[in-house]
Amino acid sequence: QTVVTQEPSFSVSPGGTVTLTCGFSSGSVSTNNYPSWYQQTPGLAPRTLIYSTNTRSSGVPDRFSGSILGNKAALTITGAQADDESDYYCVLYMGSGIWMFGGGTKLTVL
Amino acid sequence: QLQLQESGPGLVKPSETLSLTCTVSGGSSSSSSYYWGWIRQPPGKGLEWIGSIYYTRSTYYNPSLKSRVIISVDTSKNQFSLKVNSVTAADTAVYYCSSLPMVRGVLITAADSWGQGTLVTVSS
Repeated sequence: QTVVTQEPSFSVSPGGTVTLTCGFSSGSVSTNNYPSWYQQTPGLAPRTLIYSTNTRSSGVPDRFSGSILGNKAALTITGAQADDESDYYCVLYMGSGIWMFGGGTKLTVL
Repeated sequence: QLQLQESGPGLVKPSETLSLTCTVSGGSSSSSSYYWGWIRQPPGKGLEWIGSIYYTRSTYYNPSLKSRVIISVDTSKNQFSLKVNSVTAADTAVYYCSSLPMVRGVLITAADSWGQGTLVTVSS
């Protein structure tokens, strides 16, 4: 069975740039998978950052951007800030109305 | 702006049925522009998509949960609901309701607006 893969953890320096990825265990991600990205801090509901590959949700700063890089979806954070330290989840459309989340990436800013 | 609020029991006994309701405000559950969905997160773990429903009662379910899950919508109350049958400790999670916007008839994300989430514990 295909699963959605993300890096378990990543670190970035304050002010730096980081790219998180979201792929399939088998196969390539495309815009037809409508990749979305969510940010979650402990104890709170997720916040929608990006949907449909590269559309920022309302109020999301342009430091966050989405794209397809090679065979994966990608979330790039530029000018990382301390409050970007969170868990980041992607979700992909599998077809037939079904969505699948990745396991999440824990981002540390240090 | 859409606001979603989950409600329901926080404790369910094993083998019984988990029932939650999501109330929609700032919008209509009979809107043709949205599906309405449920997502859960076991303590300390990642997000799991459960399923979604349209105002026409068309539904989609996670294949791994399909045999135990029913999602329904009550447009007269501006609510939609989740039932999970035969629960076990593995169903202990924070349950979130969400909106799934459609653009030109195409679902573009699994969740746009989120409820605050409600913890449901399965224990005797």
